[in-house]
Amino acid sequence: DIQMTQSPSSLSASVGDRVTITCRASQSISSYLNWYQQKPGKAPKLLIYAASSLQSGVPSRFSGSGSGTDFTLTISSLQPEDFATYYCQQSYSTPYPFGQGTRLEIK
Amino acid sequence: EVQLVESGGGLVQPGRSLRLSCTASGFTFGDYAMSWVRQAPGKGLEWVGFIRSKAYGGTTEYAASVKGRFTISRDDSKSIAYLQMNSLKTEDTAVYYCTREENSGWYSFDYWGQGTLVTVSS
Repeated sequence: DIQMTQSPSSLSASVGDRVTITCRASQSISSYLNWYQQKPGKAPKLLIYAASSLQSGVPSRFSGSGSGTDFTLTISSLQPEDFATYYCQQSYSTPYPFGQGTRLEIK
Repeated sequence: EVQLVESGGGLVQPGRSLRLSCTASGFTFGDYAMSWVRQAPGKGLEWVGFIRSKAYGGTTEYAASVKGRFTISRDDSKSIAYLQMNSLKTEDTAVYYCTREENSGWYSFDYWGQGTLVTVSS
């Protein structure tokens, strides 16, 4: 089975900062990588699919890159509503594991 | 507007069974694969399994942690997906989310329900 490893597990940043979260797959997953945002008590929300495609309605400050085994999620200028937990997930082959999550906190 | 509404959660004793339902609206349910994802209290997301659309055989796949105990099914005439959970364990305690798998070929989960809490405890 493919394993997904996210880093860092937590991150403190300020409004306006540029933030990058990384996700590594244990084997090549081409571009079958998705990113989700989850706020406390809420269901996750799809941000990025196919490694770099922005889901409809998601602000353009979010971007994704990578292919093969190494991927990144970048938030170009943090806004107050972006403080949440972020998960990557591979959809190349089942099972479809998620990364362990990155908690983004206000500095 | 796409909506997914889970129901059927609650408190259940270890070893017993429970069936969750996911009622969909706002899209042609039969055209989409549906997945279940769970989240234990204070923990991350865990993919549970999915069911393909009838066009792709309606087949199912499961995480190793639930295989042989959980069964996903669908009733396209009612736009409902089910998660039948048998031989429940305390470690199955979680919020269970129903998700729609987008059908552009990238298999991401583009819509999620609000979740239903399952607590397995004696």
